[in-house]
Amino acid sequence: DTAVSQTPKYLVTQMGNDKSIKCEQNLGHDTMYWYKQDSKKFLKIMFSYNNKELIINETVPNRFSPKSPDKAHLNLHINSLELGDSAVYFCASSQDIQTIYFGPGTRLLVL
Amino acid sequence: DQQVKQNSPSLSVQEGRISILNCDYTNSMFDYFLWYKKYPAEGPTFLISISSIKDKNEDGRFTVFLNKSAKHLSLHIVPSQPGDSAVYFCAASKGGTSYGKLTFGQGTILTVHP
Repeated sequence: DTAVSQTPKYLVTQMGNDKSIKCEQNLGHDTMYWYKQDSKKFLKIMFSYNNKELIINETVPNRFSPKSPDKAHLNLHINSLELGDSAVYFCASSQDIQTIYFGPGTRLLVL
Repeated sequence: DQQVKQNSPSLSVQEGRISILNCDYTNSMFDYFLWYKKYPAEGPTFLISISSIKDKNEDGRFTVFLNKSAKHLSLHIVPSQPGDSAVYFCAASKGGTSYGKLTFGQGTILTVHP
């Protein structure tokens, strides 16, 4: 059983397109996150949601819009994709600070 | 501004020996520290953590040491095994409203040779 799953695993698209990444967790956690790993391999938080409410919103362009339809899902929609958006996007969930579980990542390449 | 730094991009160790991975931080507000392990094409996996009220935490072969005055922590793996070969990330949290917001270092690639 996959604890935190993301789809798709790979995403190749053209500049200017709109794309979505889906995330689901089956751990019953209250908090979900999106992290981005850039070309320099730094992992940085983008958003976090607690019980469908946005609690952390880092300095992310408003082309990025997270949506949490329920506690187990946190999707990421990206409008007008740019070359610099190419990165690996990790979804994660937690019930407390110690047990943050990450998904396998979505590798986005914008051409 | 890089608040968590792992200054060694890579470390190579012989199987059975000790691996020591280091991490430095600059923000004195950090009060919880974690180590994550990451294999290629997978997400980071939680390994071990330590609260700022402690200076050592041990879990099997893994021990994390925290030196608050030096703003330094280290992960010791004894004995090292080939399966430990991965990228290791140090992370820190401020707690409170920053709950779940981890600040990561850039990672250290550990290679354990048989």
